[in-house]
Amino acid sequence: KQEVTQIPAALSVPEGENLVLNCSFTDSAIYNLQWFRQDPGKGLTSLLLIQSSQREQTSGRLNASLDKSSGRSTLYIAASQPGDSATYLCAVSRNNDMRFGAGTRLTVKP
Amino acid sequence: DAGITQSPRHKVTETGTPVTLRCHQTENHRYMYWYRQDPGHGLRLIHYSYGVKDTDKGEVSDGYSVSRSKTEDFLLTLESATSSQTSVYFCAISDPNLQGRELFFGEGSRLTVL
Repeated sequence: KQEVTQIPAALSVPEGENLVLNCSFTDSAIYNLQWFRQDPGKGLTSLLLIQSSQREQTSGRLNASLDKSSGRSTLYIAASQPGDSATYLCAVSRNNDMRFGAGTRLTVKP
Repeated sequence: DAGITQSPRHKVTETGTPVTLRCHQTENHRYMYWYRQDPGHGLRLIHYSYGVKDTDKGEVSDGYSVSRSKTEDFLLTLESATSSQTSVYFCAISDPNLQGRELFFGEGSRLTVL
């Protein structure tokens, strides 16, 4: 059974810092990996999707990398802003089953 | 944002009553999913559909049934709600013809079973 772990569970940083969120998974036979953002009381917003044949994806200040062989992905957020405060979840898919990590709750202080 | 509408957004009901949650999409995506999100368990797949009238079970399907009579609608039914089914339910969609099969979520339906 695929297990997805996100470290740290919570992170608090001052505005302007660059930061890295980590995601690890136990089964490297994945189809894709997706990073989401979830604001309190809201649904999940897709941030980045990395297909299994890709190594990284970038969108604005966000960069996600994937190392399938080691079962790891990182989400890099550059020049963090208070508006980045949210919970970030990673998920890996195989066939029609997408498994989610528990998330990292990020707080960016002004 | 993907056109996904869930209804109702909030519902309080009593143990033993039937409950139906509706997910409506305007994206014409082939796959639709129902997840539940609980503290300490994260998001878990309940059921999914890969086409009209084609459904399959997920990780936590006991106590739930689904139906999909049209591409755009996916219904989740709790035949006899229990307190353990108090949760936030999310609908999601994806399409195998789109690169990467990116998953898009609705805003969620908060269900409280008293």
